Amino acid sequence: AQTVTQSQPEMSVQEAETVTLSCTYDTSENNYYLFWYKQPPSRQMILVIRQEAYKQQNATENRFSVNFQKAAKSFSLKISDSQLGDTAMYFCASVSGGSNYKLTFGKGTLLTVNP
Amino acid sequence: GAGVSQSPSNKVTEKGKDVELRCDPISGHTALYWYRQSLGQGLEFLIYFQGNSAPDKSGLPSDRFSAERTGGSVSTLTIQRTQQEDSAVYLCASSSRRGGTEAFFGQGTRLTVV
Repeated sequence: AQTVTQSQPEMSVQEAETVTLSCTYDTSENNYYLFWYKQPPSRQMILVIRQEAYKQQNATENRFSVNFQKAAKSFSLKISDSQLGDTAMYFCASVSGGSNYKLTFGKGTLLTVNP
Repeated sequence: GAGVSQSPSNKVTEKGKDVELRCDPISGHTALYWYRQSLGQGLEFLIYFQGNSAPDKSGLPSDRFSAERTGGSVSTLTIQRTQQEDSAVYLCASSSRRGGTEAFFGQGTRLTVV
């Protein structure tokens, strides 16, 4: 079974600054994928970034990047130049690339970007 | 459709009544998932469909919960004899293949049992 842990229930950052959200996971699989999803007050879950476990290079999407430490089973999200629209719940998630298809989520981190 | 559509957006029901929640996945997506999100909590897996079959329904919390999918498309989650602890947001997602592919989510149905 896969587990995902987000140890920061809430975080805040000033606009234009950088913030890092933490995530650790546990899996016995060799082939798996990791994701960060954003859930704004509208409730719509939006994929922010994904990482294939077999890739050593950290994924980057514009202002969003990850620090993937496979041995430590750590998958943190860095948001650069934070914007007010980044205010949302952020969920870390994992899914096996094999037959276990359940997208397992952490409990989320509520990020508030202050003006 | 362009995205995953869920209806109703909000539902208030009396304890003991049955409710049906509907999910229209993205056209062509064979995988469909239901999750439940309680206040301040993460997402709890309920059930997964591949086509019309449900290979894993282990997340359904009790036999009051059931789900079906027809035509490899629309899915309905039914909760019988609703209880107050069923109050939550029910999210549906679909993806184009199992494992590793982005899951697209609907906006959810907020269920309130009074």
